[in-house]
Amino acid sequence: LAKTTQPISMDSYEGQEVNITCSHNNIATNDYITWYQQFPSQGPRFIIQGYKTKVTNEVASLFIPADRKSSTLSLPRVSLSDTAVYYCLVGDKGSSGSARQLTFGSGTQLTVLP
Amino acid sequence: ETGVTQTPRHLVMGMTNKKSLKCEQHLGHNAMYWYKQSAKKPLELMFVYSLEERVENNSVPSRFSPECPNSSHLFLHLHTLQPEDSALYLCASSQVLDPYGYTFGSGTRLTVV
Repeated sequence: LAKTTQPISMDSYEGQEVNITCSHNNIATNDYITWYQQFPSQGPRFIIQGYKTKVTNEVASLFIPADRKSSTLSLPRVSLSDTAVYYCLVGDKGSSGSARQLTFGSGTQLTVLP
Repeated sequence: ETGVTQTPRHLVMGMTNKKSLKCEQHLGHNAMYWYKQSAKKPLELMFVYSLEERVENNSVPSRFSPECPNSSHLFLHLHTLQPEDSALYLCASSQVLDPYGYTFGSGTRLTVV
């Protein structure tokens, strides 16, 4: 699995747009980029996944440049409840008969202030 | 009930006790996982079951023993644990070839006294 690097922590204010960038310089051709959100004492929750260009869902947007060596998770108009740890993961789908094993790094602690 | 359910949510056990953590998924997934999350540390993958066969051990101490009787259920049997084993234990499931990742349970907060 490709190694990822993301900031340890970020602060923002309510109503602002937050962008968290993840570096993955050795991403492989078959790798997808996936972001998870984790609140204290809960399991991580899938937010968004992409392969290239831009992906948007009801929660966030994911921007991936053409070289795919980085990605940016964009959270529009954050609220206090968006305070959580955000993880960037890179990996392939897995092969037949082999489960896809996700390795989590330290993530980015986002703190939204009033 | 939907999603991934873990029981109990909280567990306090002595070092000489034997207990089991249970995980159940209602998503039709065919892979299940145990992760450990200690305070201020990243999630550590402990065990992987793919199509009901264990495929990863990750050098976990033998005092942790997993069991996967079918694709919907996963257990983690605990015995003679140490205080440093206190952590949040998370179960997750996925489809082997599903690119959308895992679904996690809410975890069991384990305290070893």
